[in-house]
Amino acid sequence: DAGITQSPRHKVTETGTPVTLRCHQTENHRYMYWYRQDPGHGLRLIHYSYGVKDTDKGEVSDGYSVSRSKTEDFLLTLESATSSQTSVYFCAISVGTVTDTQYFGPGTRLTVL
Amino acid sequence: TQLLEQSPQFLSIQEGENLTVYCNSSSVFSSLQWYRQEPGEGPVLLVTVVTGGEVKKLKRLTFQFGDARKDSSLHITAAQPGDTGLYLCAGPRYGNKLVFGAGTILRVKS
Repeated sequence: DAGITQSPRHKVTETGTPVTLRCHQTENHRYMYWYRQDPGHGLRLIHYSYGVKDTDKGEVSDGYSVSRSKTEDFLLTLESATSSQTSVYFCAISVGTVTDTQYFGPGTRLTVL
Repeated sequence: TQLLEQSPQFLSIQEGENLTVYCNSSSVFSSLQWYRQEPGEGPVLLVTVVTGGEVKKLKRLTFQFGDARKDSSLHITAAQPGDTGLYLCAGPRYGNKLVFGAGTILRVKS
């Protein structure tokens, strides 16, 4: 257990509304990641962070922004949610410098109507 | 087109049967990982293979990394209902990022 929690676990929202998902870790790991999971696509990286206030884009970053003001929290924001952003969102951390081994949170199921 | 192609996409078998899941790429990877995911949960790391030709065993699961480090396979012997889940392969790309295959859904019927 890598001590990762995500909130909320489920959310239903309407098109055009802002949404923020939170990932919290308890062990001060440097690297944190946000993925989305859709049928037939596996997991796709949205954004990742390599330290406080240090973030970078992944392969599907359009429509998403992130912030990391504290080591333990990594926030994912959908500024204006669209139906195409309906998905399951997973946060992950990597331990130490072994960034190719990642541990995942329980996920947030987001539905945009 | 995914960088890591997994096959088959879906597999439904009877308890006790053997199966193999494949993960292929045209690119060389420094390592490959296999994860298993159960419904409503996040993926859980099963194994990391690093050396070309490497074989790792985890109870009834055997993982192999291709000699050229472009492919990997997962073989399950005598599958059990508890093996049911989504199996994902993943490999590091561009330093700090992982790229995932689309996954293989395995259903083992008792």
